[in-house]
Amino acid sequence: EAGVAQSPRYKIIEKRQSVAFWCNPISGHATLYWYQQILGQGPKLLIQFQNNGVVDDSQLPKDRFSAERLKGVDSTLKIQPAKLEDSAVYLCASSLLPGQGVREQFFGPGTRLTVL
Amino acid sequence: GENVEQHPSTLSVQEGDSAVIKCTYSDSASNYFPWYKQELGKRPQLIIDIRSNVGEKKDQRIAVTLNKTAKHFSLHITETQPEDSAVYFCAAMENYGQNFVFGPGTRLSVLP
Repeated sequence: EAGVAQSPRYKIIEKRQSVAFWCNPISGHATLYWYQQILGQGPKLLIQFQNNGVVDDSQLPKDRFSAERLKGVDSTLKIQPAKLEDSAVYLCASSLLPGQGVREQFFGPGTRLTVL
Repeated sequence: GENVEQHPSTLSVQEGDSAVIKCTYSDSASNYFPWYKQELGKRPQLIIDIRSNVGEKKDQRIAVTLNKTAKHFSLHITETQPEDSAVYFCAAMENYGQNFVFGPGTRLSVLP
């Protein structure tokens, strides 16, 4: 089966610019996660969707970050305006719904963002 | 919210020796504890996981133990090989997939 797809793989922008990332989860996975992984740290959950509803966005900096999953399949994460400290790898992951047995999260290849 | 701590931050072992990485968590509602391996420049991949109704789980050279009372769980790798060199992350999650938190990671180096 195809894995989690993300694009772009790399992005370089200047501070105060805007950027958007796209994720297409594994077919049939109702749960989708966006993580921020700063170099040398563990992934930090930004937002979690179940279908097209938000389950957890407690760590999403809502003044500059936004995410949507309008049709319950693919998702976009946007940063506007970007700051230097947003430089990181943005990982998308997907999994089956809780209660469907397997809880494994499958990660995409990530988007490496550099803010200059 | 949940807080996951992980020790050590770096670990070097000789090939063939065992490696142990320990994690503690704070939220007693957490009941799912996966371990992910991340090689340099690659995505995290699940290597083993354990649920709170189980105390130990083993898969070939890898095992995980869980002590719910003490709120800690550990990853054990036996007969380490150079390809085990990577960053390992523990994580904790609540039953309904909420409050998923990763630890800060352990960089394991297996020396030939």
